[in-house]
Amino acid sequence: LAKTTQPISMDSYEGQEVNITCSHNNIATNDYITWYQQFPSQGPRFIIQGYKTKVTNEVASLFIPADRKSSTLSLPRVSLSDTAVYYCLVGPISSGSARQLTFGSGTQLTVLP
Amino acid sequence: EAGVTQFPSHSVIEKGQTVTLRCDPISGHDNLYWYRRVMGKEIKFLLHFVKESKQDESGMPNNRFLAERTGGTYSTLKVQPAELEDSGVYFCASSPRTGGWNEQFFGPGTRLTVL
Repeated sequence: LAKTTQPISMDSYEGQEVNITCSHNNIATNDYITWYQQFPSQGPRFIIQGYKTKVTNEVASLFIPADRKSSTLSLPRVSLSDTAVYYCLVGPISSGSARQLTFGSGTQLTVLP
Repeated sequence: EAGVTQFPSHSVIEKGQTVTLRCDPISGHDNLYWYRRVMGKEIKFLLHFVKESKQDESGMPNNRFLAERTGGTYSTLKVQPAELEDSGVYFCASSPRTGGWNEQFFGPGTRLTVL
């Protein structure tokens, strides 16, 4: 199983761009990288997923280098409501079971006014 | 459309007692997953239902945990007897039949405290 490592916490100010990096040195060929967001008293919520290079949606961008041993979640112009825990997950999606998912410890992002 | 719901939101019990957690997935979702996060640790997979069948229960910690999904709708997770180390947050998630874990919608979780 690919283990993930993320910073425990990060602080930012409103309007700034936030980049959270996740290391996954043992990522397998058929593993995808997925990021979830979790607010207090809520379950994790899917943000973005990718396999390589760059993926962008209305919420965030995901940058994955060629070796795929790390990935960076980029949140443009954060607001106070982006304060949450962000999880980086690595696992197969086509043929694998959910048991192969690796939830990291998460990064507590705090956006300050 | 209603999301995944879990009941109760909190449960405080004494060691040795029995607790049953319930999860109601999104209507029509065949896949149902249970996860838990014990204090200070990572969220870990417990088991996966496809309709009423257990697809994978390799994450269940021991035989004190019993999960059921009668009729392929809601699911229950029973802990009997509960131990101190069972304290944590138990999450349920569901996804459509053709979806996988990456299309899961999570419930708010049940916080279990065993005293």
